[in-house]
Amino acid sequence: NAGVTQTPKFRILKIGQSMTLQCTQDMNHNYMYWYRQDPGMGLKLIYYSVGAGITDKGEVPNGYNVSRSTTEDFPLRLELAAPSQTSVYFCASQPLSSGGSYEQYFGPGTRLTVT
Amino acid sequence: RKEVEQDPGPFNVPEGATVAFNCTYSNSASQSFFWYRQDCRKEPKLLMSVYSSGNEDGRFTAQLNRASQYISLLIRDSKLSDSATYLCVAMDSSYKLIFGSGTRLLVRP
Repeated sequence: NAGVTQTPKFRILKIGQSMTLQCTQDMNHNYMYWYRQDPGMGLKLIYYSVGAGITDKGEVPNGYNVSRSTTEDFPLRLELAAPSQTSVYFCASQPLSSGGSYEQYFGPGTRLTVT
Repeated sequence: RKEVEQDPGPFNVPEGATVAFNCTYSNSASQSFFWYRQDCRKEPKLLMSVYSSGNEDGRFTAQLNRASQYISLLIRDSKLSDSATYLCVAMDSSYKLIFGSGTRLLVRP
């Protein structure tokens, strides 16, 4: 099992450019999440999905879009990059509750700089 | 007011010391709580869950005080490898995780 994988690991974007952050999990988890983490801060939820075809906004969705066409993939789209989107982006997945466990499994992150 | 608040630290302690972190949460409807560990420039990983009155896992003990809405993490006999940032996390009523900003721990030789 590779777990949760994210690509790319690093990216520098110019203001106004677009990009898609890829996230794939091979654990057949229903729930998937996108977070951003600014320096010295906790993680903030951008979008989440409870299953293929279902997505919903988190705490900080502005400037982002997501889709969930398969159980495995949950890409995050930035349409018009802004310096405020400079951050580390983490994707996570979670199985349907199993024995009361709500553990989320995180990918290694994508470090994005917008200049 | 932040939903989950933690002292950012850093806590700088010698090997073998006992160190405690506290965390407060504002949403009284939160049912489940967790401590995640995050190493520098790495992803968070679950350290332990905190249910009902708390639980212990080796050198780590987590306590929950619902009346005061705070959670604590106690680390005994600190190791150099315990150096990391510890994230306090609450789960809201729709099963989403709310993260604190983290407490940084440095264990020195």
